[in-house]
Amino acid sequence: NAGVMQNPRHLVRRRGQEARLRCSPMKGHSHVYWYRQLPEEGLKFMVYLQKENIIDESGMPKERFSAEFPKEGPSILRIQQVVRGDSAAYFCASSPMGLRSTYEQYFGPGTRLTVT
Amino acid sequence: DAKTTQPPSMDCAEGRAANLPCNHSTISGNEYVYWYRQIHSQGPQYIIHGLKNNETNEMASLIITEDRKSSTLILPHATLRDTAVYYCIVRVADDYKLSFGAGTTVTVRA
Repeated sequence: NAGVMQNPRHLVRRRGQEARLRCSPMKGHSHVYWYRQLPEEGLKFMVYLQKENIIDESGMPKERFSAEFPKEGPSILRIQQVVRGDSAAYFCASSPMGLRSTYEQYFGPGTRLTVT
Repeated sequence: DAKTTQPPSMDCAEGRAANLPCNHSTISGNEYVYWYRQIHSQGPQYIIHGLKNNETNEMASLIITEDRKSSTLILPHATLRDTAVYYCIVRVADDYKLSFGAGTTVTVRA
């Protein structure tokens, strides 16, 4: 019964490169959430996705960031033209249900992005 | 716009109970109290949640005051592996945007 998996665990990118972060939800979970934790700060919600749908991306920066959760395969958080301020830990969570439930979100181990 | 207030840090002796307080004086009637923890370099881990009754599971107990303005998370027999940042969160059932503040850094000492 594998938990939420994220890869890579650590990612180093130079300014201007692209970063792709992957998240495989727990088995049976069809709802995925991405959070960002900047250094010395708490986790902040970024985006909520179901299979092939973005439900809420109100926490995503307006530019350079995008997310998808295709019918097959993991959810991808993509950051184009990374800048040093993007350096953070990015966590993915999944749940079996989304709206109107108290189902818990189970978090993955995170991807630590360092932009040099 | 913090909905909860927690002490920044606390120490606990291994084997003793750890009592973590949380104030949520503006909590609404339909908001639950949730606790998560984050062990260093790991993702947050769900611990327990409650609405108004006290709750207990294999990890911890949650005591909510009758007026629901505060609560206490109890780790009955703290171990070194319980050293983590503990977050108290209030949210309505269909609010999927978990918002983590600074939390309480709990250090369990041998």
